Amino acid sequence: GAGVSQSPSNKVTEKGKDVELRCDPISGHTALYWYRQSLGQGLEFLIYFQGNSAPDKSGLPSDRFSAERTGGSVSTLTIQRTQQEDSAVYLCASSAGRGNTIYFGEGSWLTVV
Amino acid sequence: GQNIDQPTEMTATEGAIVQINCTYQTSGFNGLFWYQQHAGEAPTFLSYNVLDGLEEKGRFSSFLSRSKGYSYLLLKELQMKDSASYLCAGVLRSNDYKLSFGAGTTVTVRA
Repeated sequence: GAGVSQSPSNKVTEKGKDVELRCDPISGHTALYWYRQSLGQGLEFLIYFQGNSAPDKSGLPSDRFSAERTGGSVSTLTIQRTQQEDSAVYLCASSAGRGNTIYFGEGSWLTVV
Repeated sequence: GQNIDQPTEMTATEGAIVQINCTYQTSGFNGLFWYQQHAGEAPTFLSYNVLDGLEEKGRFSSFLSRSKGYSYLLLKELQMKDSASYLCAGVLRSNDYKLSFGAGTTVTVRA
């Protein structure tokens, strides 16, 4: 597509429920990234994909977080047993490859109540 | 890790010039990005410097000195719509797919 597309744009969920966030990168972009940004804070790296593999998962904050990418395109970030501290905007970005400019989606705003 | 430091906030007058500085650890450095982020929106790409010097794009310019671990973003002829957070992000040579972001500089443009 023309830009990075994320869904849902907004999600309110109850503590303890699981959520799935979807990212559709720019067509042809092999690299895909997930970042998290809490209110008033900087961007926190979560995970990076090159194709379908994730060479760096070091940013995932706990084992409740997981991500996958299929067909070298769409990625899903899953948060199990959500906690209130998971409330943040989850930003997906893609690029043509290592070291290239990354372009962000509009984000999925998650609120855990 | 890659420590990216930039001022927390700056205020300037419409029509003026503002310079946002960014410093980083030079070890393994492979490039520096600047992004603009309006409140409640996703970051948008402004510039990418990988070589020393000044890159100019209209009202915005970005400068890099690799030996000093220093960059700045220069905003000229400030407009009210330039009020936003400006994020500096470094790329590590050994890890060149991962951008490490600074906390951002909030610029407020006053009439």
